[in-house]
Amino acid sequence: NAGVTQTPKFQVLKTGQSMTLQCAQDMNHEYMSWYRQDPGMGLRLIHYSVGAGITDQGEVPNGYNVSRSTTEDFPLRLLSAAPSQTSVYFCASSYQAPYNEQFFGPGTRLTVL
Amino acid sequence: GENVEQHPSTLSVQEGDSAVIKCTYSDSASNYFPWYKQELGKRPQLIIDIRSNVGEKKDQRIAVTLNKTAKHFSLHITETQPEDSAVYFCAASSNDMRFGAGTRLTVKP
Repeated sequence: NAGVTQTPKFQVLKTGQSMTLQCAQDMNHEYMSWYRQDPGMGLRLIHYSVGAGITDQGEVPNGYNVSRSTTEDFPLRLLSAAPSQTSVYFCASSYQAPYNEQFFGPGTRLTVL
Repeated sequence: GENVEQHPSTLSVQEGDSAVIKCTYSDSASNYFPWYKQELGKRPQLIIDIRSNVGEKKDQRIAVTLNKTAKHFSLHITETQPEDSAVYFCAASSNDMRFGAGTRLTVKP
């Protein structure tokens, strides 16, 4: 099993550009989530999904969209990138609800100029 | 939503000493409390977890305690080694999983 995979590993955007961060898992996990990690602020939840077709907002959802059309994939879209979105983004998945170990992807380092 | 606070933000100990990291949470519905270790440039990885029906759990040199009444839980690392140096995160889960801000642990040889 590949576990949780993320692409790209690094990305540089200009302010106002849009892009999609990809996340996929091959463990048949129902629960998937996106976090951003900034120095001194830990991991902050952006959006999460408890299954295909169901998504919900976390604590910092503004500026980000998600969809969950399949169990395996959970892409994160930045509609109009801003410098404040410069961060490391982690996707994670767990079996059923978030009451079990979350497995993290390798992360995407995003810089918005 | 859930709010998790973690202290201290940095912790430096001598090799062989013990290290304690403390977290508090706000949502009484939270029932799962994991601890993650993140080495520089790597992804967070689970080191130990505890559920709300258990007060303490041990795994070799690592232990976690939970006080549901006070809404706090702690990570204890005994006989610390240089390879324990990393950032540690606590988390609490109800409908979603929220993390503390992290503790940077440095173990001096």
